[in-house]
Amino acid sequence: EAGVVQSPRYKIIEKKQPVAFWCNPISGHNTLYWYLQNLGQGPELLIRYENEEAVDDSQLPKDRFSAERLKGVDSTLKIQPAELGDSAVYLCASSRRDFTDTQYFGPGTRLTVL
Amino acid sequence: GQQLNQSPQSMFIQEGEDVSMNCTSSSIFNTWLWYKQDPGEGPVLLIALYKAGELTSNGRLTAQFGITRKDSFLNISASIPSDVGIYFCAGHLSGNTPLVFGKGTRLSVIA
Repeated sequence: EAGVVQSPRYKIIEKKQPVAFWCNPISGHNTLYWYLQNLGQGPELLIRYENEEAVDDSQLPKDRFSAERLKGVDSTLKIQPAELGDSAVYLCASSRRDFTDTQYFGPGTRLTVL
Repeated sequence: GQQLNQSPQSMFIQEGEDVSMNCTSSSIFNTWLWYKQDPGEGPVLLIALYKAGELTSNGRLTAQFGITRKDSFLNISASIPSDVGIYFCAGHLSGNTPLVFGKGTRLSVIA
């Protein structure tokens, strides 16, 4: 069974530029998560989808961040415009049913904003 | 913000030694999870604990859910070089709350 796929693995952009990350969850997994991981910290939840519905986006900075999960499968996370403080690893995870199920993480996208 | 306190922050051990790390909180957790993260990868679940007092093993790893539901520990016996990485504790507070992670314990194994 293929794991969670994320792309790109690395992204370097200048501040004020837009950036987008893509995630393909494990086949059949209904719940998808985007996490932010700063250096030396644990992951912090940005948004959680159950199928195509965003059921918890309370930690997503909505002035510059947006996400979508069309058709309840793949998801994209966008930042526009990016700021220096957005440099971090963005992790995608999925679980079979709901948030109480085991979460399987992708390798992450390391974003560097110059 | 983070509600889990992990210790130690980092540790250097000799290959073959046993390792112990723990996680504490001022809040009561319904579940405790232990993850390992290798460089350039996402966290991988090692052990999940669902009941106060529960003691669970996974090979050389053993973890316990504290009786007070405010702490957990992870032990690794007879460490090997591939144990190197960052170990995170995580948990769900009561109710419909997201997974909360600690800051991690960075383990280095000296051959």
